[in-house]
Amino acid sequence: GAVVSQHPSRVICKSGTSVKIECRSLDFQATTMFWYRQFPKQSLMLMATSNEGSKATYEQGVEKDKFLINHASLTLSTLTVTSAHPEDSSFYICSAGPRAYNEQFFGPGTRLTVL
Amino acid sequence: GENVEQHPSTLSVQEGDSAVIKCTYSDSASNYFPWYKQELGKRPQLIIDIRSNVGEKKDQRIAVTLNKTAKHFSLHITETQPEDSAVYFCAASTSGNQFYFGTGTSLTVIP
Repeated sequence: GAVVSQHPSRVICKSGTSVKIECRSLDFQATTMFWYRQFPKQSLMLMATSNEGSKATYEQGVEKDKFLINHASLTLSTLTVTSAHPEDSSFYICSAGPRAYNEQFFGPGTRLTVL
Repeated sequence: GENVEQHPSTLSVQEGDSAVIKCTYSDSASNYFPWYKQELGKRPQLIIDIRSNVGEKKDQRIAVTLNKTAKHFSLHITETQPEDSAVYFCAASTSGNQFYFGTGTSLTVIP
């Protein structure tokens, strides 16, 4: 159990376009999901906490208008990178966990390349 | 917010030897400390975790120790094998499930 999926796994887009990434919990409900980004050979940096039915909570330094998060249901959170630029190229990964547990399960990640 | 430091950043050991990775954290409210293994281009996989009410936990060749007073915890891998080569991340979390990760340790096990 506790499977998290992410789509797409890889996306290449032109500068200025927007990209939507989906994170789904397949066999459990998640009132909270987390979004991270990871640059090559670096650690995972928490970007924001996605809260079902309410606004996301962003970490300091993360632009909420650039990284739009929507958590419309207990199994789906989306991250939209708006007006993407080459510096947004990164590995984006989400995580979620069954209620009442600390353990987090990670999605497979999305590699975004902005040309 | 929480600040997690991890050392060393790279570690090479001979097959069969032990590997130790250390992390410190700053927020005394943190109560859950997982360790993840990440292979290139893949998602992090939980390998072991420890909660703040426990000082040590072991699972076969892997063990984790926690010193709450000093705010540090360590990962110990014994009898290392080539397939243990990967990047290892420690993390600290409060009950809110937000994870703050260390900077990672690239472990290479030399056959």
